[in-house]
Amino acid sequence: IAGITQAPTSQILAAGRRMTLRCTQDMRHNAMYWYRQDLGLGLRLIHYSNTAGTTGKGEVPDGYSVSRANTDDFPLTLASAVPSQTSVYFCASSDSEADTQYFGPGTRLTVL
Amino acid sequence: GQNIDQPTEMTATEGAIVQINCTYQTSGFNGLFWYQQHAGEAPTFLSYNVLDGLEEKGRFSSFLSRSKGYSYLLLKELQMKDSASYLCAVRDSNYQLIWGAGTKLIIKP
Repeated sequence: IAGITQAPTSQILAAGRRMTLRCTQDMRHNAMYWYRQDLGLGLRLIHYSNTAGTTGKGEVPDGYSVSRANTDDFPLTLASAVPSQTSVYFCASSDSEADTQYFGPGTRLTVL
Repeated sequence: GQNIDQPTEMTATEGAIVQINCTYQTSGFNGLFWYQQHAGEAPTFLSYNVLDGLEEKGRFSSFLSRSKGYSYLLLKELQMKDSASYLCAVRDSNYQLIWGAGTKLIIKP
């Protein structure tokens, strides 16, 4: 089934640990995005990539890093997790930055 | 700053019509999106407006007035499965989506 997959579905993490959230799409979309969603707030863009090999910072990039080695994969890394990074993380993709974004199922992350 | 405003919560009756409003102030405008998000699930695309006017898609319609910085999503013949959050998002001059906090729609029998 075509679409976007994310792993893990959920994770509880001790503060200070390193964590990588995985995102893979099979739609050959050029653009990919990472958002966080917190109660009472809109989705906030963390990082994005308009094409393989390039990345950019969104609204809330601090404490996160990304890479885009190929078209399909866009992992998000928390180098040293803090409790304020407790959130639901959504990966999304679009054919280009000017097209509709489609979302993965999300990763629920709790940092204790 | 950039801002998207929509009501936090609305309640409607099964079979009725409901209008969810969204006002925006953004750095540039390259289209407005509505997404539906059921609890615990991912947002799914509903509609896109870039020109003024009404776009109709089955039971759902979306309206845009760029001069007023205003949009609404109209849901007709409400069904229990329409209970969800509805997210308004504007694509700004950098082609990034700015999101509202969402409107939780509760449908009562």
